[in-house]
Amino acid sequence: GESVGLHLPTLSVQEGDNSIINCAYSNSASDYFIWYKQESGKGPQFIIDIRSNMDKRQGQRVTVLLNKTVKHLSLQIAATQPGDSAVYFCAEKITGANNLFFGTGTRLTVIP
Amino acid sequence: ETGVTQTPRHLVMGMTNKKSLKCEQHLGHNAMYWYKQSAKKPLELMFVYSLEERVENNSVPSRFSPECPNSSHLFLHLHTLQPEDSALYLCASSEDWVTDTQYFGPGTRLTVL
Repeated sequence: GESVGLHLPTLSVQEGDNSIINCAYSNSASDYFIWYKQESGKGPQFIIDIRSNMDKRQGQRVTVLLNKTVKHLSLQIAATQPGDSAVYFCAEKITGANNLFFGTGTRLTVIP
Repeated sequence: ETGVTQTPRHLVMGMTNKKSLKCEQHLGHNAMYWYKQSAKKPLELMFVYSLEERVENNSVPSRFSPECPNSSHLFLHLHTLQPEDSALYLCASSEDWVTDTQYFGPGTRLTVL
């Protein structure tokens, strides 16, 4: 399988601070990436995506950065809130393949 | 709120039982997926259905049997499971099989005794 992994399994941040969650991938043919958020007892929820022809994409309080040179993806959450506490994982899609490959996830804990 | 629903949300079964998991999507999508999520492991793709035809079976044991009667419904029939099959089973859908974004249901937490 593909090596879609995360640098840190857990991350704790103070409420109001910015969070950065990282993801590494190994296949240079990956052309599409998604970040999902999974809260306890729920299924993964789509947050934001980015294609390989972009370096940065912004959503509401979230930004995804893609560095294709080092095969690195990050999710930045601005002004982290308690409701952001969840497991975040990235998924990648390889050009020509139909399936997504998922990472194991990082657990984000927001400290009030 | 997700447009993909799953029932039951929790299921406990013995190794000799037969049970079924149900998934329904209200998004008008043409592709549906079954994933297995175990602790500290990436999501494992089990089956993919596109336009009600199975297009992918990732070496899943025959004790798991999927069924897709129409593009809105997907079932996973379970028979003679093992304790290591205990996991969260997630259903997802996408516009079509080549469309990138998949939307997930809440999952069924399965415990095999």
